[in-house]
Amino acid sequence: GQQVMQIPQYQHVQEGEDFTTYCNSSTTLSNIQWYKQRPGGHPVFLIQLVKSGEVKKQKRLTFQFGEAKKNSSLHITATQTTDVGTYFCAGFGRTSYDKVIFGPGTSLSVIP
Amino acid sequence: EAGVTQFPSHSVIEKGQTVTLRCDPISGHDNLYWYRRVMGKEIKFLLHFVKESKQDESGMPNNRFLAERTGGTYSTLKVQPAELEDSGVYFCASSPLPSGRRGSSYNEQFFGPGTRLTVL
Repeated sequence: GQQVMQIPQYQHVQEGEDFTTYCNSSTTLSNIQWYKQRPGGHPVFLIQLVKSGEVKKQKRLTFQFGEAKKNSSLHITATQTTDVGTYFCAGFGRTSYDKVIFGPGTSLSVIP
Repeated sequence: EAGVTQFPSHSVIEKGQTVTLRCDPISGHDNLYWYRRVMGKEIKFLLHFVKESKQDESGMPNNRFLAERTGGTYSTLKVQPAELEDSGVYFCASSPLPSGRRGSSYNEQFFGPGTRLTVL
């Protein structure tokens, strides 16, 4: 069945360093969403990517969707302590009606 | 606008007991999803309602889990009898438009705060 993987599982960075998490699907996706979950909180929607090769930016966050629509990345420039949390990608399959598969998440720790 | 609410926030039960979780989606949201996150692992899809109909329940682990959404408003997820491996955080999420048109954009899902279930 469809699988969505994320790497790395954990990332510890010094405040000010950059951070990237990668999301890979075993199948071609219709679209992909990114969510952030703070410790003790619930997932909060960040962005949705739909088009092949799409790049979107939100302040220090840059999101990319691969040309084949099977992978995506989230890059944070100059991390801050407020960036701490787990970042999940969620892939919507093209063959399953509305099925969404979440990746296992990348847990980011920022050392002040 | 009120967000997605879930009740209870925590539940501790013994193996073999029954627990019912409730989710109140954002008013007017047709899509309602149930997910479960076991400690440190992925957010696993359980099922998806469109209004009162089960669109996809392929993620339900077994017949000990029963989800309902009578009237297309709030939803309940009953676990009976509960087993140790059912422990985790159960999230509910809703989104505003009927989705599923291939090639179209899906709406963001608004997550509730979750119910932390501990089965002893």
